[in-house]
Amino acid sequence: DIVMTQSPDSLAVSLGERATINCKSSQSVLYSSNNKNYLAWYQQKPGQPPKLLIYWASTRESGVPDRFSGSGSGTDFTLTISSLQAEDVAVYYCQQYYDTPYSFGQGTKLEIK
Amino acid sequence: QVQLVQAGAEVKKPGASVKVSCKASGYTFTGFYMHWVRQAPGQGLEWMGWINPDSGGTNYAQKFQDRVTMTRDTSISTAYMELSRLKSDDTAVYYCARGVWDILTGQTEYYFDYWGQGTLVTVSS
Repeated sequence: DIVMTQSPDSLAVSLGERATINCKSSQSVLYSSNNKNYLAWYQQKPGQPPKLLIYWASTRESGVPDRFSGSGSGTDFTLTISSLQAEDVAVYYCQQYYDTPYSFGQGTKLEIK
Repeated sequence: QVQLVQAGAEVKKPGASVKVSCKASGYTFTGFYMHWVRQAPGQGLEWMGWINPDSGGTNYAQKFQDRVTMTRDTSISTAYMELSRLKSDDTAVYYCARGVWDILTGQTEYYFDYWGQGTLVTVSS
């Protein structure tokens, strides 16, 4: 099974500053035949289901603000929020969909400093 | 608009079974795989499996293979997840989540673009 590990577990960032969340997979999620990374990012606010932010490691879902961006390849990935807004307070999860069982990172809790 | 509406909370005793429903609307139910993901209190997300609503085919995570059954009723655009032999650590919010159909490749992809609101299942004696 592919294990997803996020860092840090929690993060406090000032409003308007950059937030960076890392995700590492125990094996590559890059599929060589199409050169795509099978990696998604979700945002979950308290009492709500997760919301898709990013797929294919760097493609923003429709309607997601452009301050959210994803990068990385192979086993190492990053979610960046370029200028933190109050509404971005949430837990963020990465997910690999390269192979079953599809697995999530443990989550990173993002707060305002 | 796409909506996945799940039934209300359930309380079950250890050893019992629970069947959670997920009613889809706003899209062609048979065109998209339905996944089930659970989240224990204060914990992360755990994928349980998927069902192809068109064929009824399923794929379960090994962890749940002997206890979970996913079905669907296409006449009412509803997917179901039944978990048997419940234990206290099955207490969780159970979500249905729609898998993605990539229109560019014509392939099903296994990330999730719409989620139900979740059903809390509490297992307690």
